[in-house]
Amino acid sequence: AQTVTQSQPEMSVQEAETVTLSCTYDTSENNYYLFWYKQPPSRQMILVIRQEAYKQQNATENRFSVNFQKAAKSFSLKISDSQLGDTAMYFCAFIGSARQLTFGSGTQLTVLP
Amino acid sequence: AAGVIQSPRHLIKEKRETATLKCYPIPRHDTVYWYQQGPGQDPQFLISFYEKMQSDKGSIPDRFSAQQFSDYHSELNMSSLELGDSALYFCASSLVGLAGEDTQYFGPGTRLTVL
Repeated sequence: AQTVTQSQPEMSVQEAETVTLSCTYDTSENNYYLFWYKQPPSRQMILVIRQEAYKQQNATENRFSVNFQKAAKSFSLKISDSQLGDTAMYFCAFIGSARQLTFGSGTQLTVLP
Repeated sequence: AAGVIQSPRHLIKEKRETATLKCYPIPRHDTVYWYQQGPGQDPQFLISFYEKMQSDKGSIPDRFSAQQFSDYHSELNMSSLELGDSALYFCASSLVGLAGEDTQYFGPGTRLTVL
């Protein structure tokens, strides 16, 4: 079974600064996908970024980028130029052959004005 | 772009009652998933359907059942409701391509409160 660990329950960052959220996972599979979802106070689950395990290049989506270290089973999310609207719970998630998302426990990020 | 639609958005039931949650996936998506998110918890996978057939089953109680219809919408039926069933229920959909890509897009959720 896969496990996803987010060791930072809460983080805060000043507006316009950069913050990195950590995620580690454990799996015996070689082909899988990793995701970051955000859940703002509205509780909607919004896809932030996706990484295919077979790709060495780190995924980037505007101000969001990942640092994917397959050997270390690490998948961190970097948010640049943080905005107030980035305040949310961020979930790291894994999907492999079972095609069901396994989520970490989440990191509550607060962007301070 | 069209998103996943869930109804109702909020539902209040008494213990031992029955609830039905509906999900309309993104057009042309072939797979539907149901997740349950309790207060302060991460979402937990319940069940999924691929091309109207059940494909995977997670920690879904026997009191719950689900199906996917010919128009690809799905319904989650919950009977003999318990207080512990109070949660946010998400539906997600994806298009499973040849590469096995499985990016799941979530609906807004149905908040179920059992009194």
